[in-house]
Amino acid sequence: AQTVTQSQPEMSVQEAETVTLSCTYDTSESNYYLFWYKQPPSRQMILVIRQEAYKQQNATENRFSVNFQKAAKSFSLKISDSQLGDTAMYFCAFMTQGGKLIFGQGTELSVKP
Amino acid sequence: DVKVTQSSRYLVKRTGEKVFLECVQDMDHENMFWYRQDPGLGLRLIYFSYDVKMKEKGDIPEGYSVSREKKERFSLILESASTNQTSMYLCASSVAEETQYFGPGTRLLVL
Repeated sequence: AQTVTQSQPEMSVQEAETVTLSCTYDTSESNYYLFWYKQPPSRQMILVIRQEAYKQQNATENRFSVNFQKAAKSFSLKISDSQLGDTAMYFCAFMTQGGKLIFGQGTELSVKP
Repeated sequence: DVKVTQSSRYLVKRTGEKVFLECVQDMDHENMFWYRQDPGLGLRLIYFSYDVKMKEKGDIPEGYSVSREKKERFSLILESASTNQTSMYLCASSVAEETQYFGPGTRLLVL
């Protein structure tokens, strides 16, 4: 069975600092997609970043970047220069062939002033 | 921008009631999904649909059914609501194996 594990239920970081959220997954597929979604208190799920497994280059979106280690099945999210608006629940997700998403349990990130 | 809307933000129902949760997307997406979100469990797939009139069971379909009569609309039905169905329900849509876009969620309380 394909699974996604986020081992950090809660994290906190000071404003302007850097934080890394961990995610591991398990699959026998060779081609797939990985995602990080953000869910702020408003509850709207927002795509943060997407990574194609066949691409060796790590995806980057402004202050957000990933460290994708395919052999280790690891997909961590780094947030640089943390801002108060980054406070949210973050979900790591794996897309199966067929387009279904499997989510991790989530990491609740608090950015403190 | 992709827009996915859900009929209610909050809903309170009694045990045994039939409950309809509606989801509408405006981007002509083929795929639509219903998830429930519970603390510590992340999001779990209830049902999904790849086309009009089509439906597929997800990981936790028991106690739920769905309807997709039009491409833009995907309804989740709780035939007889129970207290263990108190949860947050999220709808999403996508094209093929592209990014899923989510609605704002419906928080359902079953008393």
